[in-house]
Amino acid sequence: GAVVSQHPSRVICKSGTSVKIECRSLDFQATTMFWYRQFPKKSLMLMATSNEGSKATYEQGVEKDKFLINHASLTLSTLTVTSAHPEDSSFYICSARSWGTDTQYFGPGTRLTVL
Amino acid sequence: GENVEQHPSTLSVQEGDSAVIKCTYSDSASNYFPWYKQELGKRPQLIIDIRSNVGEKKDQRIAVTLNKTAKHFSLHITETQPEDSAVYFCAAKRGGGSSNTGKLIFGQGTTLQVKP
Repeated sequence: GAVVSQHPSRVICKSGTSVKIECRSLDFQATTMFWYRQFPKKSLMLMATSNEGSKATYEQGVEKDKFLINHASLTLSTLTVTSAHPEDSSFYICSARSWGTDTQYFGPGTRLTVL
Repeated sequence: GENVEQHPSTLSVQEGDSAVIKCTYSDSASNYFPWYKQELGKRPQLIIDIRSNVGEKKDQRIAVTLNKTAKHFSLHITETQPEDSAVYFCAAKRGGGSSNTGKLIFGQGTTLQVKP
């Protein structure tokens, strides 16, 4: 149980284009989802927290107009990187948590490369 | 804000030895402390967690201890095996309010290498 999927696993795009990453909870209702960014050999950097049906809460320094987050259902959240640039290249990981619990389950991550 | 410090950043042990990773947190309101294992290019996987009403928790070769007074918690791995080699992250979550909004604050990570 508690499986989180993420799609795509890898994406390469041209500078200036937008990329959408999906995060799904497969066997539980994820009332809260989190989006992280991870640089090589570094820790997980929280970008934003999204609660189903509400606007996402972004961490300081994260541009909300650049990283659009939608959490329209209890099993799906999406992260759209708009007008991507090479510096946006990174490993993006989502996690999900159900109501009233502490445990977060992570997706497998998406490797984004912007050329 | 909340801060979690993790040490050491790298740890190399011989197979069969024990490994200990330590974390300290700053927010005394933290009440949930998970440990995640992340292999290269893979997702972080929860290996054990502890809540503030418990001082120690064990699961086979893995144990976590919590000292609320000192605000630190540790991961202990006994009889290490090569497959334990990975990056380990500790985290802390603040209690109170809505558990639906609390976020995990992660430590910097420890790269554990178990030599055969």
